[in-house]
Amino acid sequence: SQTIHQWPATLVQPVGSPLSLECTVEGTSNPNLYWYRQAAGRGLQLLFYSVGIGQISSEVPQNLSASRPQDRQFILSSKKLLLSDSGFYLCAWSVGGREVQPQHFGDGTRLSIL
Amino acid sequence: GQNIDQPTEMTATEGAIVQINCTYQTSGFNGLFWYQQHAGEAPTFLSYNVLDGLEEKGRFSSFLSRSKGYSYLLLKELQMKDSASYLCAVIDSNYQLIWGAGTKLIIKP
Repeated sequence: SQTIHQWPATLVQPVGSPLSLECTVEGTSNPNLYWYRQAAGRGLQLLFYSVGIGQISSEVPQNLSASRPQDRQFILSSKKLLLSDSGFYLCAWSVGGREVQPQHFGDGTRLSIL
Repeated sequence: GQNIDQPTEMTATEGAIVQINCTYQTSGFNGLFWYQQHAGEAPTFLSYNVLDGLEEKGRFSSFLSRSKGYSYLLLKELQMKDSASYLCAVIDSNYQLIWGAGTKLIIKP
């Protein structure tokens, strides 16, 4: 069966520091991968998605970036965090291809910027 | 623009039935998902509708009317563990997933 791992679970970072969140998927090949942010009490905001290695689409201009160095690895980064980057970050995967498939989420990373 | 509307919060009694509505205006339609999200946790997939009608899965059912841009999630025999947020999400013509803000469901004994 497929599993998704996301770490760390919680992170406290000072303003201006860098960020690296990692997500890996097991048990499937060539998945679609997604990074979301959820502010407290709000809906999900899609940040990035990827349909293959090195293929990243950005949905929202910001100081974050994403990379997919391997088929089942998705990394969210920032060179300099802002206070507004605080939130609940979720990685998700779905079966690759154009056929509609549900997205399945990792446990999330709660990021607090001080 | 694209828009999904859900009530912000609903309250129901343990053992009862509750219906959570979702209306959408999107550029095209390729399906609708319902997810459950407990506080502090990640969303989990509940149901998928692409054709009109009712899909039943145990205590949970989901209904879709494409002509009305409307869906609902029906929860029967409510249990305390059903207290969570319920997210409606629509796939548009570009196969992008548009998320609603979610409905917080509070179950009272």
